[in-house]
Amino acid sequence: NAGVTQTPKFQVLKTGQSMTLQCAQDMNHNSMYWYRQDPGMGLRLIYYSASEGTTDKGEVPNGYNVSRLNKREFSLRLESAAPSQTSVYFCASYYRGGNEQYFGPGTRLTVT
Amino acid sequence: DQQVKQNSPSLSVQEGRISILNCDYTNSMFDYFLWYKKYPAEGPTFLISISSIKDKNEDGRFTVFLNKSAKHLSLHIVPSQPGDSAVYFCAASAVSDQFYFGTGTSLTVIP
Repeated sequence: NAGVTQTPKFQVLKTGQSMTLQCAQDMNHNSMYWYRQDPGMGLRLIYYSASEGTTDKGEVPNGYNVSRLNKREFSLRLESAAPSQTSVYFCASYYRGGNEQYFGPGTRLTVT
Repeated sequence: DQQVKQNSPSLSVQEGRISILNCDYTNSMFDYFLWYKKYPAEGPTFLISISSIKDKNEDGRFTVFLNKSAKHLSLHIVPSQPGDSAVYFCAASAVSDQFYFGTGTSLTVIP
C-alpha cells in the first residue's frame, strides 16, 4: 500500500511555462484534494474532488486547473506559471466516514 | 477570512514537560476537529481528532480538548519528547468533505 503518491518531488519552472502535478492514491478513497503550503499561511485548499468526475474550487483556485482522471488519480495543472505560485503542493485523499485525510509527500515548486 | 486560527507560530518546551498548542475557530457549524503533525519535507500525518459531541479525546501522550462555547480547542502533549518537534496544524470540517486548516505552530522540544 503506497498511500498517496505525488510526482515530481521538485520542479523549477520559468514564468509562463506550464506543468502538471500528478497525484494517485491506492486506498479507494472517494475524495481527493490539492493544497498549497506557504510560510505563515498554513494549508490552503486549491481544488477538491468529492468523487470521480466532479471537481470544486477551494480557497485559492486562480491560475490552476484540475482533472479527476479516475478514482485513483487527481492532477493539478498550471497553464502559465507565475512566481506567486512558488509553493509546496500537497495532494490528499479522504474516505467519507473515515477519521482523517491522508497526504502525499509534497511537490516543491519554484517559479523564477 | 481564516476560519481556523493558530495564533502562536512557535512554541519551545523542555523535554518531559507539557506542550499545549491552541487553536480557535469562527464557524459554529464545524463539528469535527483534527490535529496533524508535519515534519520537514514530508506531508502532514494525522495525530488525533475530536467530534463536537465530546469535549475531550485522549490517545496516549496526546489529548485534545474542545470548548465549543469559546470555539477553542487545544492539544496537550505529556510528556513532551524531542521527537515531537514538528509543525502542528489544527483542522476543522462541517459535515462535508472539505477541511479548513490553521496556519500551524512549530513546536521545539528541548532535550
